[in-house]
Amino acid sequence: DVKVTQSSRYLVKRTGEKVFLECVQDMDHENMFWYRQDPGLGLRLIYFSYDVKMKEKGDIPEGYSVSREKKERFSLILESASTNQTSMYLCASSLWGKIQYFGAGTRLSVL
Amino acid sequence: GDSVTQMEGPVTLSEEAFLTINCTYTATGYPSLFWYVQYPGEGLQLLLKATKADDKGSNKGFEATYRKETTSFHLEKGSVQVSDSAVYFCALIIQGAQKLVFGQGTRLTINP
Repeated sequence: DVKVTQSSRYLVKRTGEKVFLECVQDMDHENMFWYRQDPGLGLRLIYFSYDVKMKEKGDIPEGYSVSREKKERFSLILESASTNQTSMYLCASSLWGKIQYFGAGTRLSVL
Repeated sequence: GDSVTQMEGPVTLSEEAFLTINCTYTATGYPSLFWYVQYPGEGLQLLLKATKADDKGSNKGFEATYRKETTSFHLEKGSVQVSDSAVYFCALIIQGAQKLVFGQGTRLTINP
């Protein structure tokens, strides 16, 4: 069965902290994605990766970076968390040109 | 650019009512169209898809038809259940691209 696992369901961090959100997939997918979900705005793409060590900016990359050292793992990094980064973060993976499979999400609160 | 517009929510219906959630799109290429569903506390799951004009996607009693002439992909179900309460997202992907473009989501609540 398809599985995308996000390491935390809920996180509470303080302004200025460095935050790591981790995502692991067990389907040998080339592509991995990080989205942010906010009410009334749907899902917005932050970054995606189509191979190990490869990344592309999405629609809202400012304030975020990513790391993909292994095919199965894709990390989202908030270098210095701010309150406007309080949101639900969703990870997804896919084969090239195929359906995206999503994790359960991480709800991040930045105080 | 490419975009998806869904009807505003929230939508509240009684059990066994007929459901329509409208979705229209703007695309620069040839899109595939999707409906994803997000149940409370969970991630998104693919509900159905259509890859070319006049295709009908269906799953769990839900249907949507890819209408190129009206650039629409409306979601319908003949008789909703309480368990259908969720947020529904319409999305597209352009052929050859890897990025999904999502609508803003429609929250559906079904009352017994």
